[in-house]
Amino acid sequence: GAVVSQHPSRVICKSGTSVKIECRSLDFQATTMFWYRQFPKQSLMLMATSNEGSKATYEQGVEKDKFLINHASLTLSTLTVTSAHPEDSSFYICSALFQETQYFGPGTRLLVL
Amino acid sequence: AQSVTQLDSQVPVFEEAPVELRCNYSSSVSVYLFWYVQYPNQGLQLLLKYLSGSTLVKGINGFEAEFNKSQTSFHLRKPSVHISDTAEYFCAVRRGYSTLTFGKGTMLLVSP
Repeated sequence: GAVVSQHPSRVICKSGTSVKIECRSLDFQATTMFWYRQFPKQSLMLMATSNEGSKATYEQGVEKDKFLINHASLTLSTLTVTSAHPEDSSFYICSALFQETQYFGPGTRLLVL
Repeated sequence: AQSVTQLDSQVPVFEEAPVELRCNYSSSVSVYLFWYVQYPNQGLQLLLKYLSGSTLVKGINGFEAEFNKSQTSFHLRKPSVHISDTAEYFCAVRRGYSTLTFGKGTMLLVSP
């Protein structure tokens, strides 16, 4: 139980384009999901907290207009990286809260050329 | 604000040897404690958690951890490691409805 999926697992895009990453809770409903970014050999950096039916709460320093988060249902949250640039290349991981525990997706590797 | 300290960035160990990965946290109130494992190019997998009750928590893959409130520690242990345990291990703490705070991670390197 408590499985979280992410799609796509990896994506390569051109600079200036937008990329959407999906995060789904497969066997439970999640009113709260989280989006993290991870740099090589580092810990996870929380970008934002996504609540179903309301606006996401962004961490300090994270650009809301660049990283658009939508949590339209109890099983799906999406992160859209708008006008992506090479410095946005990273590993993005989502998680969903279930019974006081965060369960993580497998991650999405984004490479912006 | 709470913080999580994983003192060892890397722990090399031989196969079948015991291992302990250390985790200390700073919080004056009750917390929830977690250990996650991350294999290369993958997300985080929950190893075990302490929410309440018994301070000795058993998790998957033969790992266990003990919550020590007086020492504010939640060290992870395994009596005999396998090559397949080679991975990055993260300790995390959550206080109430706040978000998770992660340690910097400990790379466990198991060699034959």
